[in-house]
Amino acid sequence: SYVLTQPPSVSVAPGQTATIACGENFIGGRRVHWYRQKSGQAPVLVVHDDRDRPSGIPERFSGSNSGNMATLAISRVEAGDEADYYCQLWDGGSDVVVFGGGTRLTVL
Amino acid sequence: QVTLKESGPVLVKPTQTLTLTCSFSGFSLTTRGMRLNWVRQPPGKALEWLGRIDWDGDKSYSTSLKTRLTISRGTSKNEVVLTMTNMDPVDTATYYCARTVAIAPGGAFQYYMDVWGKGTTVTVSS
Repeated sequence: SYVLTQPPSVSVAPGQTATIACGENFIGGRRVHWYRQKSGQAPVLVVHDDRDRPSGIPERFSGSNSGNMATLAISRVEAGDEADYYCQLWDGGSDVVVFGGGTRLTVL
Repeated sequence: QVTLKESGPVLVKPTQTLTLTCSFSGFSLTTRGMRLNWVRQPPGKALEWLGRIDWDGDKSYSTSLKTRLTISRGTSKNEVVLTMTNMDPVDTATYYCARTVAIAPGGAFQYYMDVWGKGTTVTVSS
């Protein structure tokens, strides 16, 4: 079964690029999805299938996935990007959905 | 416009059974490829997937909780029901339902949740 490891927190100054990692052995062979959850709100999908953005999500949000690490990058970070970010994949062997532990992004 | 809304008791006692309803609009769960998931989040903790039901009635549950969970269609065609037995204080959480379009119009399989409800908070306490 998969255990998706995320750093508990990431801090970045406004205008810089934030990088949030999601690690698991051979994760590059799975499709990874990312959600943003602002305080007191439901999660919102920001990247699906490693690198695709739903409509309405800015181009500042990008994803990649290779080897043992998937990554969500947020360029030109704004105060409004402060949130918890979760990675997710589907474990086909068990037919279950797995979430990472979440990363809190703080904009300094 | 696709919307989902969770409803149910705010407070349940330990050992009781929790029943939550997800009411949705803007799509039909009988349409091929549609899937409805349940996800929960204890206060200050991460998201946890509970299970799902598909357009064809197929279901899957969290390995750790499957003995306590049942997901079923509601009495209305636009409702899905989550039942969790033997509730414990550690089950205190916000419970979300979320849609997956498991089979895209082009036939590709998809495994992400594109629309979520706002969630309903359940406290387990005597």
